[in-house]
Amino acid sequence: DAGVIQSPRHEVTEMGQEVTLRCKPISGHDYLFWYRQTMMRGLELLIYFNNNVPIDDSGMPEDRFSAKMPNASFSNLKIQPSEPRDSAVYFCASSLTRTGSTDTQYFGPGTRLTVL
Amino acid sequence: AQKVTQAQTEISVVEKEDVTLDCVYETRDTTYYLFWYKQPPSGELVFLIRRNSFDEQNEISGRYSWNFQKSTSSFNFTITASQVVDSAVYFCALSEAAGNTPLVFGKGTRLSVIA
Repeated sequence: DAGVIQSPRHEVTEMGQEVTLRCKPISGHDYLFWYRQTMMRGLELLIYFNNNVPIDDSGMPEDRFSAKMPNASFSNLKIQPSEPRDSAVYFCASSLTRTGSTDTQYFGPGTRLTVL
Repeated sequence: AQKVTQAQTEISVVEKEDVTLDCVYETRDTTYYLFWYKQPPSGELVFLIRRNSFDEQNEISGRYSWNFQKSTSSFNFTITASQVVDSAVYFCALSEAAGNTPLVFGKGTRLSVIA
């Protein structure tokens, strides 16, 4: 089975440009998470969805960040306008609801974003 | 609030040595889950183990073993007879048990295994 798919794997852009990161969760998974990894802050949650509905976006740093999940097979994270401090690795993860327990989150390969 | 502490920032061992990576967590929940992930130099996050708070049995998987002790809020990870391929950053993480909640990660421990 295919794992979580993210694209692009690497993105280099200039400050002020719009950036779109894409994620395809594992088929059948109903939870999708976006995390960001930086040297200073480590791995931190940005936003997560259940059945395509955003549940908690308190980790989204600013209004420049937005995320959508138009269907069960796709989510995107947009940064507009991008700034050098947005440079990080962005991970998408998905998991499946289990009655009465927490399932494992499986991560995509990540998108390494560099904003010049 | 939940918190995960991995006090060892970097560890270096010689191949075939045993190594233990420490993880201490804080939570007010009585039911929770603990995880370990591996991040090799290629950058992906690889799931290693999930353990719920009611299961304190130690687990062994090949050269890997995990020791969960609720009394000390620790979930330590031991690699026996380490190999160069074990070189990676290892993350311990915690989540609530009520539904698929986000993971709270430790800062990670970078393990270097030298041939």
